[in-house]
Amino acid sequence: NAGVTQTPKFRILKIGQSMTLQCAQDMNHNYMYWYRQDPGMGLKLIYYSVGAGITDKGEVPNGYNVSRSTTEDFPLRLELAAPSQTSVYFCASSSTTVAKNIQYFGAGTRLSVL
Amino acid sequence: RKEVEQDPGPFNVPEGATVAFNCTYSNSASQSFFWYRQDCRKEPKLLMSVYSSGNEDGRFTAQLNRASQYISLLIRDSKLSDSATYLCVVLPTGGGNKLTFGTGTQLKVEL
Repeated sequence: NAGVTQTPKFRILKIGQSMTLQCAQDMNHNYMYWYRQDPGMGLKLIYYSVGAGITDKGEVPNGYNVSRSTTEDFPLRLELAAPSQTSVYFCASSSTTVAKNIQYFGAGTRLSVL
Repeated sequence: RKEVEQDPGPFNVPEGATVAFNCTYSNSASQSFFWYRQDCRKEPKLLMSVYSSGNEDGRFTAQLNRASQYISLLIRDSKLSDSATYLCVVLPTGGGNKLTFGTGTQLKVEL
């Protein structure tokens, strides 16, 4: 039962570098999300997707990009890393059943930008 | 006013104690409510949904008060393993599947 898998688990970037955080789910969920969690703060939604080929901005999209070419994968791209992007990034997925709306999270990617 | 507000704690309680957390939300039209649990340096996991009539799952009881716009979580007979951060989560009306997370209440259960 893999659920939601995120890679890498940890990463250190230099300012201005780029990277892609990978996220894959094997539950055939249509909805996928990217959040960031800063110390002492709640999860903030970066981007989300309601299905393959459809993405939309969340609360804090600046500095990030996403794509959703398949139901399973939802990568998050950082183009020009900045220290403000130091955070823990969580990917999540959920079914289309709005009433239940249980989100399943990956184990997270801890990113430091120095 | 924050959309979802929680007392950050920490709540330090002895094993076996009963502890309660409250959470207030600002959008009166919010439609669904949840408690998630997050262990240190781990991902959030659903603890329980919160239903209008209140609901219980073992030692955990969740209540919703729409008039006062708050939800609560009661933990009875606390265990050391209950030590975690409890996140109050709200689905606003018209929010699609976009949940709003509180910053969490930290619980430490001690011997």
